[in-house]
Amino acid sequence: QSVMTQPPSASGTPGQRVTLSCSGTSSNIGDNSVFWYQQFPGTAPRLLIYRNDQRPSGVPDRFSGSTSGASASLAISGLRAEDEAVYYCAAWDDSLSRVVFGGGTKLTIL
Amino acid sequence: VQLQESGLGLVRPSDTLSLTCDVSGSSINSVSYWAWIRQSPGKGLEWLGSVYHNGNTRYNPSLESRVSIWVDTSKNQFFLRVTSVTDADAGVYYCTRNPDYYYMDVWGKGTSVTVSS
Repeated sequence: QSVMTQPPSASGTPGQRVTLSCSGTSSNIGDNSVFWYQQFPGTAPRLLIYRNDQRPSGVPDRFSGSTSGASASLAISGLRAEDEAVYYCAAWDDSLSRVVFGGGTKLTIL
Repeated sequence: VQLQESGLGLVRPSDTLSLTCDVSGSSINSVSYWAWIRQSPGKGLEWLGSVYHNGNTRYNPSLESRVSIWVDTSKNQFFLRVTSVTDADAGVYYCTRNPDYYYMDVWGKGTSVTVSS
């Protein structure tokens, strides 16, 4: 069982906006930066959002991150078929002294 | 920057798992950490530990007694060793570049490790 909780699945139609959630605790999201990773089947994860709301170069501005208390969200606007992937949240956990990941949300484009 | 994992894909229970990560396009002496992450169906993504070019390390406390990570700056490589492996150590192992020890911005393609006698 993952330390941070993500819904296992989400879906949306092309052009729609979806928000993926990540629930943590005061030891991780509540006190440290959140990172989001995107993973396509058979490939390595890719950094999508760092330090809560920063996008690495090459990541479209359709992707945005935010935090509130011990929760974080990844919003994807103008959904495209190529956004179908698994999205993971991650953060440092002060109590566990390690990086912790959510279990991932599989986003399906209908 | 490109990272490439290599090593034996089949390890016997109780043996030692050893992997190498070749770094190209960047010096391992750069201001970055380097890390190993693994992924398995049962445990999801798991951070094993991170190493700085000067050899300083941070390990996952749950694995610290069995995991070692170190660098060879002359070869621009870093390494992972996991001792006394069990079925729970099977999965895909990724080497990564970390701007700070706790997050990964470049990933290798991953290498699959099976634990079986």
